[in-house]
Amino acid sequence: DAGVTQSPTHLIKTRGQQVTLRCSPKSGHDTVSWYQQALGQGPQFIFQYYEEEERQRGNFPDRFSGHQFPNYSSELNVNALLLGDSALYLCASSFQGDYGYTFGSGTRLTVV
Amino acid sequence: EDQVTQSPEALRLQEGESSSLNCSYTVSGLRGLFWYRQDPGKGPEFLFTLYSAGEEKEKERLKATLTKKESFLHITAPKPEDSATYLCAVQVEDFGNEKLTFGTGTRLTIIP
Repeated sequence: DAGVTQSPTHLIKTRGQQVTLRCSPKSGHDTVSWYQQALGQGPQFIFQYYEEEERQRGNFPDRFSGHQFPNYSSELNVNALLLGDSALYLCASSFQGDYGYTFGSGTRLTVV
Repeated sequence: EDQVTQSPEALRLQEGESSSLNCSYTVSGLRGLFWYRQDPGKGPEFLFTLYSAGEEKEKERLKATLTKKESFLHITAPKPEDSATYLCAVQVEDFGNEKLTFGTGTRLTIIP
């Protein structure tokens, strides 16, 4: 039973560019949440998707956007990248936002 | 605003030396408190969920407890493979608000 799968694992982008990160949830899960984790910090909630709609959003600018597909997979898009966007981006899936969140291994984004 | 504070920031123990990690929280209403283990460059790995004061859960050398203001993660006779960052997160009792709010973690190092 595959867990949460994220791609790519590592990415280097230049300031001002755009990036798309991808997530496939754990089998049986229908809700996907995205978190940003800066070095030495705890994960910070970006947003959550359920039934292909953004259900909840954290304190992140509109440069951060997402999408959920009918198969429950999800994408995180970040436009106009800043150096401060460098972080580990984590995807977590659950069933209808239930208690059991499973995290992927993350995508390490470096903005230069 | 929901707050989670973990202490200490870092802890170095000799193999076999038991200790406790602290997670204090301030929330309007607690739905669940989560403990995760995170290895460098990896996503958080679920350990425990606690729902109400007085609840305790155990897994191998780890035991988590919960009061109305804080949670402890007790580590008994740790081994080097227990070295990791331990994250605490809370989920509040608020319909439509299902995000996890994390602390900054405790970086645990077990010295052989």
